[in-house]
Amino acid sequence: AQSVTQLGSHVSVSEGALVLLRCNYSSSVPPYLFWYVQYPNQGLQLLLKYTTGATLVKGINGFEAEFKKSETSFHLTKPSAHMSDAAEYFCAVSAQSSGYALNFGKGTSLLVTP
Amino acid sequence: DTGVSQNPRHKITKRGQNVTFRCDPISEHNRLYWYRQTLGQGPEFLTYFQNEAQLEKSRLLSDRFSAERPKGSFSTLEIQRTEQGDSAMYLCASSYGGGTTDTQYFGPGTRLTVL
Repeated sequence: AQSVTQLGSHVSVSEGALVLLRCNYSSSVPPYLFWYVQYPNQGLQLLLKYTTGATLVKGINGFEAEFKKSETSFHLTKPSAHMSDAAEYFCAVSAQSSGYALNFGKGTSLLVTP
Repeated sequence: DTGVSQNPRHKITKRGQNVTFRCDPISEHNRLYWYRQTLGQGPEFLTYFQNEAQLEKSRLLSDRFSAERPKGSFSTLEIQRTEQGDSAMYLCASSYGGGTTDTQYFGPGTRLTVL
């Protein structure tokens, strides 16, 4: 079964600082990996996804993630945090055994301080 | 905007009552998923439909839960004899295609509180 683990349930950064949210996956087959963001009282929004090909994936709002097979990681980064980036971030892997439903991590809450 | 919509947005009910939620997917999306999200956790898969066929159900979906997608468009999720443990956010998502890389678009969710 495919699963992901997000390290750190809460991350705090200063505005303008680097954002790094960690995600490690477990999969016996090539994984398809996703990052979603959830703003308060809103639905989940896709930030980016990795399927095949280029391991550095660029998403919306200046976010990117790099697939590293050797480290089984798919960490999310953004060079410079903005106050509007404060939200809950979820890493997910596509579960081939469940009609490609997503297996989500527990989420990381990002706080951005002035 | 023609995103995924869910109704109601909030539902408060007493233990033992039945509740029904509705999800309207993006038009022409053939796949529809239901997830449940509790506080401090990521969403957990409950069930999915391809068109009108319910193809898989998670073991989280007890016998008190039933889902339908009668015409391959909107879907309903019913919980019978609600329990306090059913309190959660119920999320619906839809996608077009059916492959591993299809993007799932999520609705805003229905927050259920069982007293």
